[in-house]
Amino acid sequence: DTAVSQTPKYLVTQMGNDKSIKCEQNLGHDTMYWYKQDSKKFLKIMFSYNNKELIINETVPNRFSPKSPDKAHLNLHINSLELGDSAVYFCASSQGTGARQPQHFGDGTRLSIL
Amino acid sequence: GQQLNQSPQSMFIQEGEDVSMNCTSSSIFNTWLWYKQDPGEGPVLLIALYKAGELTSNGRLTAQFGITRKDSFLNISASIPSDVGIYFCAGRLLQGAQKLVFGQGTRLTINP
Repeated sequence: DTAVSQTPKYLVTQMGNDKSIKCEQNLGHDTMYWYKQDSKKFLKIMFSYNNKELIINETVPNRFSPKSPDKAHLNLHINSLELGDSAVYFCASSQGTGARQPQHFGDGTRLSIL
Repeated sequence: GQQLNQSPQSMFIQEGEDVSMNCTSSSIFNTWLWYKQDPGEGPVLLIALYKAGELTSNGRLTAQFGITRKDSFLNISASIPSDVGIYFCAGRLLQGAQKLVFGQGTRLTINP
């Protein structure tokens, strides 16, 4: 069983559309994250939820809205997609927010904007 | 802005050679992590370091948490073809420890 699973794996869509990416973890972790990896492979945190509460909200356009219906799920909705949104989006989870809680990553969602 | 400098950005080596890469920062970190990313997959944790001076091994991989808490290195001994990939350092700042900051990655290519 995949520990952190994201759907879809690939997403190709037109500029201006609205799309969602889903993430589920079966590790029993309390904390989940969304990262963006650009074309140069640089990984940057976007959001983090702990026990369904938002704890990290980096400088991300408000077109991006995370939602955590329960501790095992963190979804990402993106409105009015732009060309610059093309990237690989990774979901991750950790047991908690402490320094000794390493993050485990999903396999990514490759978003391409036409 | 970018807070971790990882080097080298890329390495081309022969199978069997040893590899060394490092990360440095002007900020103090209380955790250092090393991840590997294979094509089409997410980063996978290799080694976690939690104390200054800590030296930890995982098979042929060895990593150390620098004494100054501003750097870390990863060594791979006797490289094999499956070591190919992108290696990332990541750290938790002393201030703002909830957030993981990533280096730019080191792309390792191995000639058989």
